[in-house]
Amino acid sequence: GQQLNQSPQSMFIQEGEDVSMNCTSSSIFNTWLWYKQDPGEGPVLLIALYKAGELTSNGRLTAQFGITRKDSFLNISASIPSDVGIYFCAGQLDTNAGKSTFGDGTTLTVKP
Amino acid sequence: DVKVTQSSRYLVKRTGEKVFLECVQDMDHENMFWYRQDPGLGLRLIYFSYDVKMKEKGDIPEGYSVSREKKERFSLILESASTNQTSMYLCASRTTSGYNEQFFGPGTRLTVL
Repeated sequence: GQQLNQSPQSMFIQEGEDVSMNCTSSSIFNTWLWYKQDPGEGPVLLIALYKAGELTSNGRLTAQFGITRKDSFLNISASIPSDVGIYFCAGQLDTNAGKSTFGDGTTLTVKP
Repeated sequence: DVKVTQSSRYLVKRTGEKVFLECVQDMDHENMFWYRQDPGLGLRLIYFSYDVKMKEKGDIPEGYSVSREKKERFSLILESASTNQTSMYLCASRTTSGYNEQFFGPGTRLTVL
């Protein structure tokens, strides 16, 4: 199946710093999704991207769908302690019957 | 709001036991999924259901089976639990109309002794 390479695997940052993480794939996707998983909970959607080149913001979060359709990044500005969690990228093909391919996750720790 | 619930948050079973993990969603979603989550390995798809009574193997189906007799309920079955099935199990659902988002339950942390 398709593989997603998500990096970095983990990040330790100070409160107030900006964060950047990305996902790359060997094949194209039609949709890129970014989820966040709080400790002890299931993942929740943060941002969905449907078009190559699309740049979308949700508060302090910004994500982009790469022009080649093989990559995406997520930026978090001015991090706060509640940003702690695991961030997953997911790629989806319209022909794949609703299944998403997930990255391995980026674990974010924010030090106050 | 969409709600996906899982029957247990924590479960401890013994090797060889038959284990049932239940998932219920309340938004009439057609698609349902079972994943397992292990540190550093992300979310790996075990089984997928297109609709009632329809299922498809995911990436790691060995040792698992599923049942979907009603649209709102998707069950994951471990026929004979083994220690290497100790993991976090996440259920998700998705509608086929509109957006591609999957809605996840809170997870069941299963320990097999």
